[in-house]
This record gives sequence, C-alpha cells and structure tokens, in this order.
Amino acid sequence: GAVVSQHPSWVICKSGTSVKIECRSLDFQATTMFWYRQFPKQSLMLMATSNEGSKATYEQGVEKDKFLINHASLTLSTLTVTSAHPEDSSFYICSATGSRETQYFGPGTRLLVL
Amino acid sequence: RKEVEQDPGPFNVPEGATVAFNCTYSNSASQSFFWYRQDCRKEPKLLMSVYSSGNEDGRFTAQLNRASQYISLLIRDSKLSDSATYLCVVNRGYGGATNKLIFGTGTLLAVQP
Repeated sequence: GAVVSQHPSWVICKSGTSVKIECRSLDFQATTMFWYRQFPKQSLMLMATSNEGSKATYEQGVEKDKFLINHASLTLSTLTVTSAHPEDSSFYICSATGSRETQYFGPGTRLLVL
Repeated sequence: RKEVEQDPGPFNVPEGATVAFNCTYSNSASQSFFWYRQDCRKEPKLLMSVYSSGNEDGRFTAQLNRASQYISLLIRDSKLSDSATYLCVVNRGYGGATNKLIFGTGTLLAVQP
C-alpha cells in the first residue's frame, strides 16, 4: 500500500517558537494532502486541505496565519505552527491522496509546547 | 450535535466474542463511509469501506443504511489483537481535493483473554 511519512515524530518546544512538520508521500504522487489535529480523547479534526502548487483551504476556526501550509511538490507538504503556545500541543496527522479517494495517513507528530 | 456519533465504550469482551458497533451521521449529503482502526498513540488505519449492500472482510462485516443514516460494524470471533479504537468516518466529498473526512470520536474495544 501507499506510504506516507511524517517528520519529526515528536517535538517539544518552548512557547513562542515555531515548529515545522513535514509530510511526504513515499511511493506515489499526492495531488492533495490533508492536515488533521487530534486532542486527547477527541476525534481527528480536519485543519486544512492542501493542493500542490496552490494555497491551502482552511477549515472554519483554523487560523491560516498561525498554521502555515506549503505544498511545493507532489510528494511534500509542510505545516508550520508559528509562535506555538501550550494550547497548540496536540497530535498532528497528515494524509495524502492521489487520483483515487483513499486517504493514506502518516504516523503523526506529537507536539508538546512548554 | 456531532456530525458523526458513536458510543465511546469501552466495550470489554472476552476472546471469541462477537461485538457490534453502531454509528449515526447527520449529513444526508455524505458520499462514502468507512471504518478505521486507531491503536493507542498511532495514526488511524483504514479497516474497510462500507456499502449499502453490506460487505464482509474475514471476521469483519460492515453495513450502511442510508435511509436511517446508520452504519454498523460487526466483529466475530474477537482476538486480543482487535483491541483498539474503532472510528466511524464519513466523507462529504467526491474524491481528491473535495474529500472531507469527518471522524467520530471512536469506540474503544478491549478484548480480554
């Protein structure tokens, strides 16, 4: 099956710093990538949809200036959490889809902001 | 009201038991339906798609009732390795960039030896 990787798998940072998370499709070209966030004991929530070469579409309530998404190639999307605060601590998961409907999920990145 | 509702559980069952999970969704425009499995502190993994005609994959049977907006998953002969959180997922989109997966909060299954 299709493989999606994320890096880093976990990160601890100080409040006010920015953190970049990479999402890569390893064996297929991902026309669309999605970024999700999951807080403890809650469901995955879609943050934004990212298409290669165009601006991301953000879900209601997600600040685009705080969560910067870049999808520069068909195999790489990045999410940058700018000026992170403790309330941004969460499990961030990306997924990627090619020409078919199936979304393949990355292993996730745990962010802890102190 | 959440768009996808599930009983959070936990469901504690002995090995070999049959267990059923239910899910309801509120958006009648939802296009496709899935069950995902999520292990603790891991990403969700697709278990199976769900169709109105019902579909079976080994010990797992899924069913969709569009009229009542109800989705079910039946697990027969439970194994210890089935212990996980089962996520009911609906897709509002038509594929590609239009996809929008809406996740339920999940039902926790614990299979006991």
